[in-house]
Amino acid sequence: GENVEQHPSTLSVQEGDSAVIKCTYSDSASNYFPWYKQELGKGPQLIIDIRSNVGEKKDQRIAVTLNKTAKHFSLHITETQPEDSAVYFCAAKEARYSSASKIIFGSGTRLSIRP
Amino acid sequence: ETGVTQTPRHLVMGMTNKKSLKCEQHLGHNAMYWYKQSAKKPLELMFVYSLEERVENNSVPSRFSPECPNSSHLFLHLHTLQPEDSALYLCASSQETGPYEQYFGPGTRLTVT
Repeated sequence: GENVEQHPSTLSVQEGDSAVIKCTYSDSASNYFPWYKQELGKGPQLIIDIRSNVGEKKDQRIAVTLNKTAKHFSLHITETQPEDSAVYFCAAKEARYSSASKIIFGSGTRLSIRP
Repeated sequence: ETGVTQTPRHLVMGMTNKKSLKCEQHLGHNAMYWYKQSAKKPLELMFVYSLEERVENNSVPSRFSPECPNSSHLFLHLHTLQPEDSALYLCASSQETGPYEQYFGPGTRLTVT
């Protein structure tokens, strides 16, 4: 089955700087890669996703890149703000099931933005 | 906020108690999920229901019993739990025919004493 590894586990950046979180996956058939943000006391919230037929996707200050050959994908947050402080999870969806199927999550990155 | 609600938000129970967690989605989805989130482990998928049928059971102990009476509601019945079952239990929903996005509820913080 799919295995997702995420690094780093904690990340502290100065407000206004960029943050990068990296993930690798093991199943080359995986075809959907969402990123979730979890704030204290809340459930994970989808912030951006990418499908395997796309190499990069951007939404305002957030971008995700996917390298299918190397089986890794990354989240980039530019011009970080205090409200970006949260735990971020990457995930990969197994391709051989329907959409009601396993999404395997990474272990999470706790991002702290220093004022 | 996400269209998925969970009750209760907090629950403390003894090991001999029986309780139930409830999840309701208002998104018109037809697939629902239970996840366990503990301090030292990533999100662990417990159960998947698609079109009200259980399609995934990730080797979850029988002291956890899911129920999906319709596509909008999902329950997790708990009995004779152990202290190591203390965790945040998250419900999510998605659309079976796509897109793939899963929307999570706020979770139930469970403490087993």
